[in-house]
Amino acid sequence: GQSLEQPSEVTAVEGAIVQINCTYQTSGFYGLSWYQQHDGGAPTFLSYNGLDGLEETGRFSSFLSRSDSYGYLLLQELQMKDSASYFCAVLSGTYKYIFGTGTRLKVLA
Amino acid sequence: GAVVSQHPSRVICKSGTSVKIECRSLDFQATTMFWYRQFPKQSLMLMATSNEGSKATYEQGVEKDKFLINHASLTLSTLTVTSAHPEDSSFYICSASRQGVMNTEAFFGQGTRLTVV
Repeated sequence: GQSLEQPSEVTAVEGAIVQINCTYQTSGFYGLSWYQQHDGGAPTFLSYNGLDGLEETGRFSSFLSRSDSYGYLLLQELQMKDSASYFCAVLSGTYKYIFGTGTRLKVLA
Repeated sequence: GAVVSQHPSRVICKSGTSVKIECRSLDFQATTMFWYRQFPKQSLMLMATSNEGSKATYEQGVEKDKFLINHASLTLSTLTVTSAHPEDSSFYICSASRQGVMNTEAFFGQGTRLTVV
């Protein structure tokens, strides 16, 4: 079967740094993406890792280790607006994404 | 980025009726679109892959006779929930990627919240 595991919930304070991990087991793998979803909204794209290593985009960074089937999303200088659900997603085939279990991030003032 | 429009955003229907949800790629062509279902506080579960001009590919456990998918053009896919029941109440969301490239970004519609009463 296919699985992408994430912690269910993470809580941090404004200004802090938080890391959300993702371990995956899928039948195909082209890369790992991260999406943010606010309650009632559509997922929005944050980052993509096709190769091992760290990708940085502003306050967000994402890491991938293909040999470990593991990745993480790092959020720095947390803001209240970052409170949302975060999903890792494996690109497992042509355009096809399989989503992780999701992590609910709560940012406290 | 690219724009994917989904309609309606909310729908309430009576048990036993059918509901059609539209997913359009507004500024690009999409030979493949995807339909997901999301229950409250849960992940997006892939239901099916919608292929332009051919039959949809359904994920294991998804009833193809209940969730009819039609992808008649390069910019439009529809999902029809037939004989809806309260347990079909959920958030349905589509995604699409640009044609012709191994695109690393999926563009999502706004989602449709279906309530079956």
